[in-house]
Amino acid sequence: QSALTQPASVSESPGQSITISCTGTSSDVGSYNLVSWYQQHPGKAPKLMIYEGSKRPSGVSNRFSGSKSGNTASLTISGLQAEDEADYYCCSYAGSSTHYVFGTGTKVTVL
Amino acid sequence: EVQLVESGGGLVQPGGSLRLSCAASGLTFSSYWMSWVRQAPGKGLEWVANIKQDGSEKYYVDSVKGRFTISRDNAKNALYLQMNSLRAEDTAVYYCARYPVGASHFDYWGQGTLVTVSS
Repeated sequence: QSALTQPASVSESPGQSITISCTGTSSDVGSYNLVSWYQQHPGKAPKLMIYEGSKRPSGVSNRFSGSKSGNTASLTISGLQAEDEADYYCCSYAGSSTHYVFGTGTKVTVL
Repeated sequence: EVQLVESGGGLVQPGGSLRLSCAASGLTFSSYWMSWVRQAPGKGLEWVANIKQDGSEKYYVDSVKGRFTISRDNAKNALYLQMNSLRAEDTAVYYCARYPVGASHFDYWGQGTLVTVSS
């Protein structure tokens, strides 16, 4: 099972919006509405930001939103803030044999 | 507050063994599936293994099948990962993670423990 494909890096100025794509296949992203997104600051554990494609856990800013179209899921961060600078990973359930596949990761830089 | 605390990492020679532990608190441990996820230095996340609430179902990524064993002790609120026949490519920070009942995402993570496989 190959990792889901994400852009290596995205940069934008504070206050702007960015969208990170996560491209899988019909065996994972395309088959299940079970994509989650994680934020990871250097040296820290990942933090859940979005689950089941578009749901936000309690305590996560509504500046973070998720969506899916076909085999591609997306994470949008609006009103970019310095604290959003981190690595972001998508993850999809991929069935009973593979279980979970993560994305390649995207480094977000706030200019 | 849910807390997951990993331990047991360290330096081990290729072909060696190591047992990781994850101590859980602030949750009804026996109610949750648990997982191990790893991250090689400078690389992305990789799911390693899952275990059902009662330990009756266990699943592994292909690269560790036959070498790693996930287990749990619900009386001790503890999750384990026995790693045998270790290879250089197993070098990573290993995180334990919980996923909510009926869900397919990881909502709580430990801080991780580093495993280095090198001679």
